[in-house]
Amino acid sequence: KNQVEQSPQSLIILEGKNCTLQCNYTVSPFSNLRWYKQDTGRGPVSLTIMTFSENTKSNGRYTATLDADTKQSSLHITASQLSDSASYICVVSKDTNAGKSTFGDGTTLTVKP
Amino acid sequence: DARVTQTPRHKVTEMGQEVTMRCQPILGHNTVFWYRQTMMQGLELLAYFRNRAPLDDSGMPKDRFSAEMPDATLATLKIQPSEPRDSAVYFCASGFGDYGYTFGSGTRLTVV
Repeated sequence: KNQVEQSPQSLIILEGKNCTLQCNYTVSPFSNLRWYKQDTGRGPVSLTIMTFSENTKSNGRYTATLDADTKQSSLHITASQLSDSASYICVVSKDTNAGKSTFGDGTTLTVKP
Repeated sequence: DARVTQTPRHKVTEMGQEVTMRCQPILGHNTVFWYRQTMMQGLELLAYFRNRAPLDDSGMPKDRFSAEMPDATLATLKIQPSEPRDSAVYFCASGFGDYGYTFGSGTRLTVV
């Protein structure tokens, strides 16, 4: 069982709608959680990074939340655009050792006109 | 914008051949990662370096894979001999410290 579980696996929404992606983790100890956006054929691009003490962080229309007690994070996308169509990957780092990161399998978001 | 440069972007090779992938990290970044991405496994960490020293390569098949940083501007990942199961997209990422890594565009490797 993956220590970072993302849901849903895929999602289709209409342009202009909001959506929320979920990430549940069991990784411990916890250092930080990152959300990445990966366009088809490109490398992942960092959207947000949150440490234990942070419970929300925004990057434009992307807002990530973190509940370290329940080990849950969400990524909320507001007023979706066609360019938001991508895979969104949740990454949890175990400690300050950068290599100790566990990747979720990602949520594939498709935004339709 | 500063970027991580990976070459080649695409590589098709025959089984048994040596493959070398190169990465130029962002100037000033002291941490470099190599990842492999497949549809079945997602993103997997193969190796990473800090200040050019290998810190962890436990994710890498040692018998055929090797990763090096001959200098601060170049990281290499070699596969010898290559096998069809090595077909994947290989990403290099660099950062400074423990946050905010920047990924390259990847090398798509196909071994036939």
